[in-house]
Amino acid sequence: NAGVTQTPKFQVLKTGQSMTLQCAQDMNHNSMYWYRQDPGMGLRLIYYSASEGTTDKGEVPNGYNVSRLNKREFSLRLESAAPSQTSVYFCASSFPRDPQGGELFFGEGSRLTVL
Amino acid sequence: AQSVTQLGSHVSVSEGALVLLRCNYSSSVPPYLFWYVQYPNQGLQLLLKYTSAATLVKGINGFEAEFKKSETSFHLTKPSAHMSDAAEYFCAVSDGVLSSGGGADGLTFGKGTHLIIQP
Repeated sequence: NAGVTQTPKFQVLKTGQSMTLQCAQDMNHNSMYWYRQDPGMGLRLIYYSASEGTTDKGEVPNGYNVSRLNKREFSLRLESAAPSQTSVYFCASSFPRDPQGGELFFGEGSRLTVL
Repeated sequence: AQSVTQLGSHVSVSEGALVLLRCNYSSSVPPYLFWYVQYPNQGLQLLLKYTSAATLVKGINGFEAEFKKSETSFHLTKPSAHMSDAAEYFCAVSDGVLSSGGGADGLTFGKGTHLIIQP
């Protein structure tokens, strides 16, 4: 079982360049998420998609765009990368059943450096 | 809004000693609570979760956590530390559904505790 797969695992960009992080899940989950992880900050939600065809902003959406391509895939795009976007990015998915909330399943992360 | 506080960004214990990682939460409703573990250069893996069925929750790798409503705490423990337990540990509280029309599972994470095991 692949679970949640992210590509690329590592990327170095120059300020102003653009790139897209790809995420795919094979668990038939409805919801997908993008988080960023920074030292001492924990994980912060960038965007999420409750279901195919919908996307919503999380806690730190500025500088990012997302696309829910289909039920399996959820991509994160940096249109003009900035050094402040240097981070480790995690994609996650879940199959919401309980109104009080459930667990998320995470990919292995994409480490992005912006010079 | 929910929030999570993890006391101690770094915790160091000797191999074989008790592991105690502290987590306090704030929530306006009875919460669902989670502990995740992150090994170096990997994603987050669920250790255990509390969903109101029992206050003492057992997870993988010998870890357990106790929900104490009066103390708004959900501390993670393991009786005897092993070198393989060295990792980053995150406590999280559920925000419930993030949006209507389908919903999504929202989690608010603590800032993490790095567990160091001394030989």
